[in-house]
Amino acid sequence: AQRVTQPEKLLSVFKGAPVELKCNYSYSGSPELFWYVQYSRQRLQLLLRHISRESIKGFTADLNKGETSFHLKKPFAQEEDSAMYYCALSLYSGGYQKVTFGTGTKLQVIP
Amino acid sequence: NAGVMQNPRHLVRRRGQEARLRCSPMKGHSHVYWYRQLPEEGLKFMVYLQKENIIDESGMPKERFSAEFPKEGPSILRIQQVVRGDSAAYFCASSSWGTSTDTQYFGPGTRLTVL
Repeated sequence: AQRVTQPEKLLSVFKGAPVELKCNYSYSGSPELFWYVQYSRQRLQLLLRHISRESIKGFTADLNKGETSFHLKKPFAQEEDSAMYYCALSLYSGGYQKVTFGTGTKLQVIP
Repeated sequence: NAGVMQNPRHLVRRRGQEARLRCSPMKGHSHVYWYRQLPEEGLKFMVYLQKENIIDESGMPKERFSAEFPKEGPSILRIQQVVRGDSAAYFCASSSWGTSTDTQYFGPGTRLTVL
């Protein structure tokens, strides 16, 4: 069965410092991976997906199949980045999408 | 497009009562997913529905929980005879195609508190 691990419950960094939110997955096939973000009092929303290879709000994530990781990175943290971040693995099985979420990491950017 | 709507946003029930949570997907979306988030835990998949069909309910507790997505109207997650352990945030998401690359759009959630 597929599994997503986010080892850090809380990550505190100073403004301007680099950020790396870790995500490891276990799945034998070719996964689709996403990062979702939940700002305070807002709904969960998509931040980025590996298939797009895009940079959103300065964040990037590279899929490393050898290490089965999809870490989220940003070179310089901003206060507005403080939020809950969820890594998610999506697979197409039995004719539909099934998404498995990690437990989330709370990013706290200290001014 | 108002996005995924959920109501109520907050629901308080006493033990033994029934809880009904509603989810209206985004316009044009026919795939609905329900997730539960217990305190201090991540999102856990509960059930996946298409119109009038339950496709995957592998994440649903075997008893007291049921879900539907009728031809007309919102999707309903129903919890009978609630217990304190049911207190959680329940999120609904919808997508248009249900494929692996599809984005799921989330509602604001319903926070259920069982007294």
